[in-house]
Amino acid sequence: RKEVEQDPGPFNVPEGATVAFNCTYSNSASQSFFWYRQDCRKEPKLLMSVYSSGNEDGRFTAQLNRASQYISLLIRDSKLSDSATYLCASTGGTSYGKLTFGQGTILTVHP
Amino acid sequence: DTAVSQTPKYLVTQMGNDKSIKCEQNLGHDTMYWYKQDSKKFLKIMFSYNNKELIINETVPNRFSPKSPDKAHLNLHINSLELGDSAVYFCASSQALGTSYEQYFGPGTRLTVT
Repeated sequence: RKEVEQDPGPFNVPEGATVAFNCTYSNSASQSFFWYRQDCRKEPKLLMSVYSSGNEDGRFTAQLNRASQYISLLIRDSKLSDSATYLCASTGGTSYGKLTFGQGTILTVHP
Repeated sequence: DTAVSQTPKYLVTQMGNDKSIKCEQNLGHDTMYWYKQDSKKFLKIMFSYNNKELIINETVPNRFSPKSPDKAHLNLHINSLELGDSAVYFCASSQALGTSYEQYFGPGTRLTVT
């Protein structure tokens, strides 16, 4: 089992839709979690950190469910510009910043 | 005023050659990383340095040798390049060593070995 797993999609949604991605992790000792966005042929860009209490940034909401060992990303009112690959990452059980990434979920928002 | 920069952006070379990729960050961060993203888009850590000290060394062939002359720079030297080394190599940095620090990525170096 991979340490961090994501549904690769692709998710094709119309503008204005709400879409949610889940990401499961296998190491129960994992401490920190992040969502990154990666556009085609670009670097991953940090979207948001995922806190135990959940966090929201505009149209984006991230949640952590430690009992079921998954994190989620909810995007409301999708825009064409949200089309990208969304990567989740976990630091696993290490005390230093070794990030393990999922394979990414492809999102395409169409008019 | 790029935060994390890499050179070169593209690198095309033949098998057996030796090449280097350079990375610099102007964020004042203590920790820097090298990641490899292969053709299947998996992003995997290779190395990390904290204040010039090697912290993470994943199971990477010893043809890959990182070097950090100071905490703002992390270079990657690759000897005897192989076809399988073709990938995008990303440098990243974080404020410090630890699980809660967010990592910021450079634009990547697209290496093609022919």
